[in-house]
Amino acid sequence: AQTVTQSQPEMSVQEAETVTLSCTYDTSESNYYLFWYKQPPSRQMILVIRQEAYKQQNATENRFSVNFQKAAKSFSLKISDSQLGDTAMYFCAFESGGGADGLTFGKGTHLIIQP
Amino acid sequence: DAGVIQSPRHEVTEMGQEVTLRCKPISGHDYLFWYRQTMMRGLELLIYFNNNVPIDDSGMPEDRFSAKMPNASFSTLKIQPSEPRDSAVYFCASSPLAYGANVLTFGAGSRLTVL
Repeated sequence: AQTVTQSQPEMSVQEAETVTLSCTYDTSESNYYLFWYKQPPSRQMILVIRQEAYKQQNATENRFSVNFQKAAKSFSLKISDSQLGDTAMYFCAFESGGGADGLTFGKGTHLIIQP
Repeated sequence: DAGVIQSPRHEVTEMGQEVTLRCKPISGHDYLFWYRQTMMRGLELLIYFNNNVPIDDSGMPEDRFSAKMPNASFSTLKIQPSEPRDSAVYFCASSPLAYGANVLTFGAGSRLTVL
């Protein structure tokens, strides 16, 4: 079974700073997908970014980018120019190739952006 | 599209009562997932359906839990009888399985409190 580990229960940074959230995973598969989801206080789960394991290029979505290190099984999320609205729980998630098993989530990192 | 619709948003009930949570997935999505979120265990996959057929229910905690999907636009998660340890937020999510990955869209969740 796959496992996803987020080692930072909580992080706090000042507005406009850059912050990196860590995620490691364990799998024996070579084809899989990785995700970051955001859960603000409203409780809604929102997809932030997605990475296919077969792609070497790191995914980027505006201020959000990932550092995908396949050999190290590491998938960190970098948020640039952080904003107050980025305050939320962030969950890293893994899905096996073929996409038929659902996502396995980490325990989450609570990110607080201070004004 | 209105997104994934869940009801009720909040439910408070007493131990031993039956609880039914409802979900309307996004039209055209072939996959539907039920997750449970607690502080202790994080997000856990309970069961998922493909084209209305249950595929994997290994995450359902015990026989008190059951889920159905009578048609492509409706699913229920039932707990009978409910217990205090069932208190959690229950999420429904749907996916079109695009490009081999399940890119989940979540509902707003149903917060269940069992007294």
